[in-house]
Parts: sequence; structure tokens; C-alpha cells
Amino acid sequence: DSGVTQTPKHLITATGQRVTLRCSPRSGDLSVYWYQQSLDQGLQFLIQYYNGEERAKGNILERFSAQQFPDLHSELNLSSLELGDSALYFCASSVSSRYEQFFGPGTRLTVL
Amino acid sequence: AQTVTQSQPEMSVQEAETVTLSCTYDTSENNYYLFWYKQPPSRQMILVIRQEAYKQQNATENRFSVNFQKAAKSFSLKISDSQLGDTAMYFCAFMKPDNNAGNMLTFGGGTRLMVKP
Repeated sequence: DSGVTQTPKHLITATGQRVTLRCSPRSGDLSVYWYQQSLDQGLQFLIQYYNGEERAKGNILERFSAQQFPDLHSELNLSSLELGDSALYFCASSVSSRYEQFFGPGTRLTVL
Repeated sequence: AQTVTQSQPEMSVQEAETVTLSCTYDTSENNYYLFWYKQPPSRQMILVIRQEAYKQQNATENRFSVNFQKAAKSFSLKISDSQLGDTAMYFCAFMKPDNNAGNMLTFGGGTRLMVKP
């Protein structure tokens, strides 16, 4: 158990819908990262937050957005869903002064 | 942009034997970190080992060790005394630490390792 929690574990929805994925980092970790793992694109970085502020953006679609709240949990919002958004979405966290990222169990999103 | 390449899509090893997984990367940076992550069938991403580029000594964690060749931009993972529980997908990852621009991981495509009894 990495100490990072993600909910829900599985999500099945239809095209055009909007979903919210939730992540709680390890206690004391200020940085939260979101990654997408799909069969054709592999593991890709989406976005990083540090202590409530956006720190870095990767290949994140405009239909996707995220935020980190004062209690440091983070949410990833995916809207106007397409079939190609089906993937495993990971959240990871780290302490800023060290660089290991610890991953949550992931949320499996299926868009039908 | 950095790239990470794992040239072995699949490998197999007999239980108790030793196996080495390859990883190469491309970067113009001098200060960076390299990691190996394991993803078993449960899909959980588990950190196996990390290496700081400024350290000449190769990292070791129990049965796992790395061969870090900075000039060659090579970072291989050696698993000794392979166990059935080592069966998993293994990902090599690169990170350039930058408190302003972020600390994202760049992953290779992965190597699927099967340990046979």
C-alpha cells in the first residue's frame, strides 16, 4: 500500500459525459501528479500540482482539467468523453525535497 | 524533450535465475533521476529502485540492482534470484528535477517479464 488513495476504482460511462476522479496523496506530500495509461499511448504525464498550484502540464487535453484543494486532495475532471479516453488514470504524490513518486491504485475508466 | 527506450518488449527467466532489463534514455541534462517501476497484474505501480545521476555508485535494493552508465545513457535493471512474484511489467522512467517547471516522469514503453517455475 503506497498510502495514495484513488476513487473510484472503476468507472463506466458513455461518450459525451463528464466524470471526476479523486486522489488523496500520502500524508505530508505536497505534490500530486496525474498520469494516463492507455494501450496505444503508454504511460503519459498529464499534470502536476504543488501545494494547491499548478506546477507543470503535459499532454493534457483541453477537455480535461484538474485542481488541488487546500487539504491537498486532487480531482481530475474529464468532460465530453470520447471512446479514446478509456484508460487507467493514476495519481501519484511526492514530497518536494525528495523525488520518488508513489502511485495510487488507479481508476479504470471505460467509455462506451 | 527527454525520451526513454526499452528495447525488450518481453522477456522470460527461470525461477532463481538472474535477468537484466535494458533501458536507454536521451537527454542533454546533467542532473536527473532514473527509476524502475514494477507493474504486476494488479496494475499497481510499485517503485523498485532509483538512481541519482550525480552518484557514480550503482543503486541496490535487495535482489534488485542497476548498472548506470551515464556516458552511454544506459540504465539497466538486474534481478537476481528471480521469484514468481517478480512477474510483471517493468517501466524505466526519467525525471529532471525542477521546482519551477515540475518533476514529471517520462516513461519507457515497458518490458513484460515472466518468471517461469
